[in-house]
Amino acid sequence: GAVVSQHPSWVICKSGTSVKIECRSLDFQATTMFWYRQFPKQSLMLMATSNEGSKATYEQGVEKDKFLINHASLTLSTLTVTSAHPEDSSFYICSAQGDISEQYFGPGTRLTVT
Amino acid sequence: GESVGLHLPTLSVQEGDNSIINCAYSNSASDYFIWYKQESGKGPQFIIDIRSNMDKRQGQRVTVLLNKTVKHLSLQIAATQPGDSAVYFCAEKVWRGGSEKLVFGKGTKLTVNP
Repeated sequence: GAVVSQHPSWVICKSGTSVKIECRSLDFQATTMFWYRQFPKQSLMLMATSNEGSKATYEQGVEKDKFLINHASLTLSTLTVTSAHPEDSSFYICSAQGDISEQYFGPGTRLTVT
Repeated sequence: GESVGLHLPTLSVQEGDNSIINCAYSNSASDYFIWYKQESGKGPQFIIDIRSNMDKRQGQRVTVLLNKTVKHLSLQIAATQPGDSAVYFCAEKVWRGGSEKLVFGKGTKLTVNP
């Protein structure tokens, strides 16, 4: 149990375009979902926390207008990178948390902006 | 501020040896820690956790030790196998912005030589 999926697993987009990443909890309801960003050979950095039906809370230094997060249901959260630039190229990982406080991580999405 | 760090960025061991990965944390009020394993191109995988009311916890081939006096955490892997090769992160649960979040350490890359 406690499986989290992400789609797509990798994406290449052109500079200036937007890309949407989905995070789904497959077998449990996630009241809270988290979005992390990981640059090569670095650690995971929390970008934002989203609760179903409410606005996401962004970490300091993360532009909320650039990284749009929608948590419209208890099983789905989306992260949209708007007007992507090469410096946004990274590994984006989501995690989902249900009734217990443990976070279950998705497999990650590799974003490359050309 | 809060921070969770690692002493060694890389560790290379022979198959069958025991591995020890270290982590230091700065927030003495922290009461819950988790070790994750991340294989290349994948999301973090939960290994073992420990609460601050314990100083040792054992799992299958893994042991986590917590020394609250010096704010140090370690992960011991017994009889290390090639499949254990990965990056290992310690993470600390903190309260920030009204919710629980994970703060990840820098990570240690473990390489197991056959």
